[in-house]
Amino acid sequence: EVQLVESGGGLVQPGGSLRLSCVVSGFTFSSYWMSWVRQSPGKGLEWVANIKPDGGEEYYVDSVRGRFTISRDNARNSLFLQMGSLSPEDTAVYYCARDIVVVPAAHYFDYWGQGALVTVSS
Amino acid sequence: EIVMTQSPATLSVSPGERAILSCRASQSVSSNLVWYQQKPGQAPRLLIYGASTRATGIPARFSGSGSGTEFTLTISSLQSEDFAVYYCQHCHNWPLNFGGGTKVEIK
Repeated sequence: EVQLVESGGGLVQPGGSLRLSCVVSGFTFSSYWMSWVRQSPGKGLEWVANIKPDGGEEYYVDSVRGRFTISRDNARNSLFLQMGSLSPEDTAVYYCARDIVVVPAAHYFDYWGQGALVTVSS
Repeated sequence: EIVMTQSPATLSVSPGERAILSCRASQSVSSNLVWYQQKPGQAPRLLIYGASTRATGIPARFSGSGSGTEFTLTISSLQSEDFAVYYCQHCHNWPLNFGGGTKVEIK
């Protein structure tokens, strides 16, 4: 059974940092692109970042580029999102998701974690 | 950047009736379009990929169609468990954008 379990969410002050983790099981983690997708309270979905299976390529949405860093540890079946310079606009549930690659730059998500809530507030 | 627009924002349907949801892309995405279902407090679930192929375990009452810029998700006979929010997403290039969602509610 495929499972993705996020952790590390919480309350952080504006300008602060937070690191999210996602531990996966049930598939060969090192063979898949992985993504973070967020959802602001009561709002829609926004893809945030993704990373190649070997960690050699990363892509980000413009709104987080330079502030967030995605990384992975294939030996530990783990995905990470280091978030910095956080603002209230980053408040959201952050989901880790497994990418399915149609063609390069064409991805969708077939498995999702349950999400980790990040609240940025003073 | 490709913008995805879904309509209507809310669709009120009686159980057993058919629901038709629309998704429009600001430029052609060929057939690189997927649909997700999300229930309150849950993660999204993949329904349709490649515009028209049902994901594993998805009932046949869900069908997708379209290509280019216009896409449709049809639920042929709504069951109680189908009342949820539905999102489309293009998978054509970066950034991977979602539509704003259509909430299917009980009439």
